[in-house]
Amino acid sequence: GAVVSQHPSRVICKSGTSVKIECRSLDFQATTMFWYRQFPKKSLMLMATSNEGSKATYEQGVEKDKFLINHASLTLSTLTVTSAHPEDSSFYICSASPGLWGETQYFGPGTRLLVL
Amino acid sequence: SQQGEEDPQALSIQEGENATMNCSYKTSINNLQWYRQNSGRGLVHLILIRSNEREKHSGRLRVTLDTSKKSSSLLITASRAADTASYFCATDVAGANSKLTFGKGITLSVRP
Repeated sequence: GAVVSQHPSRVICKSGTSVKIECRSLDFQATTMFWYRQFPKKSLMLMATSNEGSKATYEQGVEKDKFLINHASLTLSTLTVTSAHPEDSSFYICSASPGLWGETQYFGPGTRLLVL
Repeated sequence: SQQGEEDPQALSIQEGENATMNCSYKTSINNLQWYRQNSGRGLVHLILIRSNEREKHSGRLRVTLDTSKKSSSLLITASRAADTASYFCATDVAGANSKLTFGKGITLSVRP
């Protein structure tokens, strides 16, 4: 149980385009979803927290207009990287938690974004 | 600096040996969790230890927590080549609405 999927697993796009990444909880309802970014051989940096039906809470330094998050249902959250630039290239990972104060987060397999 | 800081940063051992990884943190926590990540993949939750617990076991894993020293250790006994991965500790900081703060990670290599 507690499976989280991400789509796509890998995406290459041209600079200036927008890319949407989906995060789905497959066998549980995720009240809270988290989006992380990970640089090579580095730790995960939390970008934002989203609760179903409300606006996402962004971490300091993360541009909300650049990284649009929509948590439209209890099983789906999307991250859209708008007007992507090469510096946005990274590994993006989502996680989902079944409770508002969920303890264990279940992670998706990640999405590798390369912006040319 | 990061809330969780693991040491060592890299560990190489022989199959069958035990691997011990340490994590230190700075602020009060609700719980501390250990995750594993294979190269280029997502994270797998290993074990969670609450702030009022001192030790927890799960299969070949043993986690300890010392809140007075703000530190935790993860012990993997009888290591296998398949244990080769990066290991992260993550703290659920008190009052932070379940946000996890990850350490930099430890790269464990288990030689067959």
